[in-house]
Amino acid sequence: EIVLTQSPGTLSLSPGERATLSCRASQSVSSNYLAWYQQKAGQAPRLLIYGASSRATGIPDRFSGSGSGTDFTLTINRLEPEDFAVYYCQQYGSSPVTFGQGTKVEI
Amino acid sequence: QAQLVQSGAEVKTPGASVKVSCKASDFIFTKYFIHWVRQAPGQGLEWMGWINPNSGDTKSAEKFQGRVSMTRDTSINTAYMELRSLTPDDTAFYYCASWGYYGSGSFYNYWGQGPLVTVSS
Repeated sequence: EIVLTQSPGTLSLSPGERATLSCRASQSVSSNYLAWYQQKAGQAPRLLIYGASSRATGIPDRFSGSGSGTDFTLTINRLEPEDFAVYYCQQYGSSPVTFGQGTKVEI
Repeated sequence: QAQLVQSGAEVKTPGASVKVSCKASDFIFTKYFIHWVRQAPGQGLEWMGWINPNSGDTKSAEKFQGRVSMTRDTSINTAYMELRSLTPDDTAFYYCASWGYYGSGSFYNYWGQGPLVTVSS
């Protein structure tokens, strides 16, 4: 099983700042099948990034993903008020599918 | 726009079973795997398993083997997840979801609304 470790656990920032979230895998993620989700209270996760760096349909370009192998990063440029939420990484290249424990981006 | 619509919230007593449904609309049901993911209140996401709606084949996470059943009814485009021998630790939101690559290389990703299953005496 691939264990995904996200850091930091909580990120305290202000609107307009840049957020950098890390996701480290215990072993290489097959084909860089790594996704990032945003989740707000009471809602299902929303896909932001797939394939480590491809933005999902309708996702603003202030969200970007990078990385390969075992180290992945989600960057949010110029934080908007609606970006304050919890973010999860997910690997879907190996069974079982696994998720990171989440990073909370708070004001 | 494809949608996955799930059944409603449930309250169960310890030792009981729960069966959650997931109906696909505007979605070629037999073409895409349905995954089940749960989330305890205030906690992270936990993958439970998948079902291939075309064949009925399933794979569950080791943690749930022997306690979870995933089935489908292709006549009504609906998948089901049944979890048995419930304990309070099973209190969670239970999502069905589908993700993967189309033949063109683009990615699809759909989630149901995730009803809350509460286990309490």
